[in-house]
Amino acid sequence: GESVGLHLPTLSVQEGDNSIINCAYSNSASDYFIWYKQESGKGPQFIIDIRSNMDKRQGQRVTVLLNKTVKHLSLQIAATQPGDSAVYFCAENTSDMRFGAGTRLTVKP
Amino acid sequence: DAGVIQSPRHEVTEMGQEVTLRCKPISGHNSLFWYRQTMMRGLELLIYFNNNVPIDDSGMPEDRFSAKMPNASFSTLKIQPSEPRDSAVYFCASRELDPTSAFFGQGTRLTVV
Repeated sequence: GESVGLHLPTLSVQEGDNSIINCAYSNSASDYFIWYKQESGKGPQFIIDIRSNMDKRQGQRVTVLLNKTVKHLSLQIAATQPGDSAVYFCAENTSDMRFGAGTRLTVKP
Repeated sequence: DAGVIQSPRHEVTEMGQEVTLRCKPISGHNSLFWYRQTMMRGLELLIYFNNNVPIDDSGMPEDRFSAKMPNASFSTLKIQPSEPRDSAVYFCASRELDPTSAFFGQGTRLTVV
């Protein structure tokens, strides 16, 4: 039967390829952004953040790009591994910390 | 620090019973959040506290839900009476008052039968 539930954007990549997950935000005054990763059975975990005075920040295998002009964030994962399979959320610097639907990343071996 | 600690990890209860979920935030964090996560509705903010004071409880589904934060190191989310549609994973998160990244607990999986 047809599954029902929240429509989650999905991204499926081959192991070893690079992944790009996109996020649009709404508040042009936001000055701090965070990416979280939620693995099955766990709570969301901080991956990387970026402040609005930057347009790029790199971590270990992850890079976040910020385009304030179009209010867009992206998370790039290099050499994607099976352990990267999860739901990824972006969040704006707001007092109430609400989350969108997230993006489900599936890594195919 | 052990991180955000939630208890119990799993709870199975009968419809109509009272359920209490507990959360210990990270020491020094001034903001605490309660979320509910389901396949249907995703990760919903129920309520959050700053310095132990409830700031926004507009996400609390109905009067059956209540949350308290009697001190900086402890919060509870209570459902009375519980219903099967309350079945979900409930997360607690904490962070410093000046918005920074938040830290989540492992969640409580609630099943109401």
